[in-house]
Amino acid sequence: EIVLTQSPGTLSLSPGERATLSCRASQSVSSSYLAWYQQKPGQAPRLLIYGASGRATGIPDRFSGSGSGTDFTLTITRLEPEDFAVYYCQQYGSSPRTFGQGTKVEIK
Amino acid sequence: QVQLQQWGAGLLKPSETLSLTCAVNGGSFSGYFWSWIRQPPGKGLEWIGETNQSGSTNYIPSLKSRVTISVDTSKNQFSLKLTSMTAADTAVYYCARGPFYDILTGSYMGFDYWAQGTLVSVSS
Repeated sequence: EIVLTQSPGTLSLSPGERATLSCRASQSVSSSYLAWYQQKPGQAPRLLIYGASGRATGIPDRFSGSGSGTDFTLTITRLEPEDFAVYYCQQYGSSPRTFGQGTKVEIK
Repeated sequence: QVQLQQWGAGLLKPSETLSLTCAVNGGSFSGYFWSWIRQPPGKGLEWIGETNQSGSTNYIPSLKSRVTISVDTSKNQFSLKLTSMTAADTAVYYCARGPFYDILTGSYMGFDYWAQGTLVSVSS
């Protein structure tokens, strides 16, 4: 089982600032089958990034993903008010499909 | 537009069996894996397992002895059964589409459509 560790646990930033979220895997993620999701309270997660760097349909270009192997990053270039949420990484290249524990991006 | 709609009992007693069903509307059922994920209150996401249109399944090892995911292709539905429920199984349960190979992008995708979730509480 691939264990994903996200850091930091909480990120306190102001609107307009840049957010950098990290996801580290316990072993290499096959073919960069790494996704990022955004979840707001009371809602289902929303797919942001697939294949480590592909933006899902309708996702603004301020969201970008990068990385390969065991180290991945989600960057939000300029935080909008609606971006304050919890973000999860997930590897889906091998079973079980595992999630990181989440990073909360909160308003400073 | 693809929509997933799920239903099932939300309040169970210890030792009872959870039964949830997810219907897929507005899209093809074949060519995808269909997954169940849960989220305990205030905690993170946990993938439970998946099936495809041929009934092939994968499960998380920690639940494998208690979980069954089945598919009904005639109705474009898939279902989750989890036996011997305890308070530790209290969570919001989601069904979702994925993972799958997307012909349009030429990429293997994550979970792109999710249902609204069902809060399942286990209490005596």
